[in-house]
Amino acid sequence: SQTIHQWPATLVQPVGSPLSLECTVEGTSNPNLYWYRQAAGRGLQLLFYSVGIGQISSEVPQNLSASRPQDRQFILSSKKLLLSDSGFYLCAWSQGEWNQPQHFGDGTRLSIL
Amino acid sequence: ILNVEQSPQSLHVQEGDSTNFTCSFPSSNFYALHWYRWETAKSPEALFVMTLNGDEKKKGRISATLNTKEGYSYLYIKGSQPEDSATYLCAPSRGNKLTFGTGTQLKVEL
Repeated sequence: SQTIHQWPATLVQPVGSPLSLECTVEGTSNPNLYWYRQAAGRGLQLLFYSVGIGQISSEVPQNLSASRPQDRQFILSSKKLLLSDSGFYLCAWSQGEWNQPQHFGDGTRLSIL
Repeated sequence: ILNVEQSPQSLHVQEGDSTNFTCSFPSSNFYALHWYRWETAKSPEALFVMTLNGDEKKKGRISATLNTKEGYSYLYIKGSQPEDSATYLCAPSRGNKLTFGTGTQLKVEL
């Protein structure tokens, strides 16, 4: 069966520090991968998605970037965190077709001080 | 950016009550409508992916209907149980990209 791992679960970082959140999927190949953020009082917002290695689509202009160095690995990064980057970050995967459900990791709670 | 509205924002019901929520979305360029259940301290769980106008899907006591021409979907829970307490999210898709509503928070009390 397929599983998705996301870490860390909680992170507290100072403003201006770098960020790296990692997500890996097991039990499937060539998945679509997604990063979402839920800011306080807001809905889940799609940040990035990827349909293959090295292929990244950014949905909103922001201080973050994403990379997919391997088929089942998706990384969310920032060189310098802002206060507005605080939130709950979720990684998800789906099979390639657009009518397939997405499967989510457990999320990372990111607090910027 | 799609405008997705869910109502009510929150709902308290008694165990055994039946309830329903609404998801409204733009009807143009429709691909699919996803429903997810998000329990506290867990990750969102997919309930349904609906693609056809008039679609009706069922999973246990939970069912959903879809009207793509007018842009809405209803989620029904029959005989609510405490374990149904969660936030229910809908998300229309355009291709692989989902736009989530802010959800309906359901609390089922004994």
